[in-house]
Amino acid sequence: EAQVTQNPRYLITVTGKKLTVTCSQNMNHEYMSWYRQDPGLGLRQIYYSMNVEVTDKGDVPEGYKVSRKEKRNFPLILESPSPNQTSLYFCASSARWTSGSNEQFFGPGTRLTVL
Amino acid sequence: QQQVKQSPQSLIVQKGGISIINCAYENTAFDYFPWYQQFPGKGPALLIAIRPDVSEKKEGRFTISFNKSAKQFSLHIMDSQPGDSATYFCAASLPGAGSYQLTFGKGTKLSVIP
Repeated sequence: EAQVTQNPRYLITVTGKKLTVTCSQNMNHEYMSWYRQDPGLGLRQIYYSMNVEVTDKGDVPEGYKVSRKEKRNFPLILESPSPNQTSLYFCASSARWTSGSNEQFFGPGTRLTVL
Repeated sequence: QQQVKQSPQSLIVQKGGISIINCAYENTAFDYFPWYQQFPGKGPALLIAIRPDVSEKKEGRFTISFNKSAKQFSLHIMDSQPGDSATYFCAASLPGAGSYQLTFGKGTKLSVIP
């Protein structure tokens, strides 16, 4: 089954304790991205990757890091989490753009609470 | 600067009625306009999309209407059903390499009541 998986699905942590949220896709997609979703603010992009070893900042990158060492994986790293990073996080992937479609496939989400 | 403005924030529609969600954009270089549907506890999923060379696209009960001159596009859900209750996001992207970057509206929570 074609899918994007994220782990963990739920996480409660404390301020300053480093954490990693993993993301993996089995569709051989070049493009991967991380979003955060907050009430009233919609989906905001954190970081994205056009391919292996190619990453760039989105709209809200502060406090986050990413890496893309393998095509299928795109982990999100919070080196020193703070309460304002409490949010619902989504990973997404997309095939190489064609003239017909640019569909992004989203994972099930990771709900993070930073105390 | 919000490049895609979505309204209303929430919408309650009777079963069988028409749900209408509107979006307005600022960047005239956008050339791809998708709508995503998100059910509680799930990630968003592509519902329907349109490019500016057509004014309307219909897939089943879902229709996108596009007005290039007004820089507006809207989602119409005909014969709305309780199963359509979800949050809907409009989005836009640029051509070429920019097509990967989706700019989302803030979302509309639709509730269809029996």
